[in-house]
Amino acid sequence: DAEITQSPRHKITETGRQVTLACHQTWNHNNMFWYRQDLGHGLRLIHYSYGVQDTNKGEVSDGYSVSRSNTEDLPLTLESAASSQTSVYFCASSDSAGALNEQFFGPGTRLTVL
Amino acid sequence: GENVEQHPSTLSVQEGDSAVIKCTYSDSASNYFPWYKQELGKGPQLIIDIRSNVGEKKDQRIAVTLNKTAKHFSLHITETQPEDSAVYFCAASIRAAGNKLTFGGGTRVLVKP
Repeated sequence: DAEITQSPRHKITETGRQVTLACHQTWNHNNMFWYRQDLGHGLRLIHYSYGVQDTNKGEVSDGYSVSRSNTEDLPLTLESAASSQTSVYFCASSDSAGALNEQFFGPGTRLTVL
Repeated sequence: GENVEQHPSTLSVQEGDSAVIKCTYSDSASNYFPWYKQELGKGPQLIIDIRSNVGEKKDQRIAVTLNKTAKHFSLHITETQPEDSAVYFCAASIRAAGNKLTFGGGTRVLVKP
């Protein structure tokens, strides 16, 4: 069955370190998204991509970067982790064809920055 | 950009009663309104959605209503069951803007047996 996976599921790191969170989907979806979830803020969009070599900034992109070298993967990099980036991170994907808008979410990565 | 407000932030109901969650949005160009359910430790999952050319949509015990003039939409869950306990998110998007969703802050629903 097609799916979307994230790794690691839990990560503890120190302030200033570079961290990369992986996202992999097997639906062959063109659209991929990264969100962070914080209490009281719902899900906020960090970066998104509509296809290979395409990346765009979302609502809360400062301190994060993404790259899209193939259809299946959209890794999220925190260049220099800060305590304010402690959060739960969700990756999602959706089909760009037709009228479908449903985004399929991964299980999340809980990141703690000490 | 789009702003989505969601109320209430927490909702406690007795099993068998109804639950209603309300959302408002700011961008009149938004034309797609999904609702997601998030169970503990999992990612959000789409449970129902509505498009701007429809005023109401039902799927078994859940229904959504949309008032484009007032820019608000609601989720109704009837005959609530313990397995309905979860966090629910509303969202809005403009299809021409490429599936980008703006989410509300979420509602934690607790169904008491």
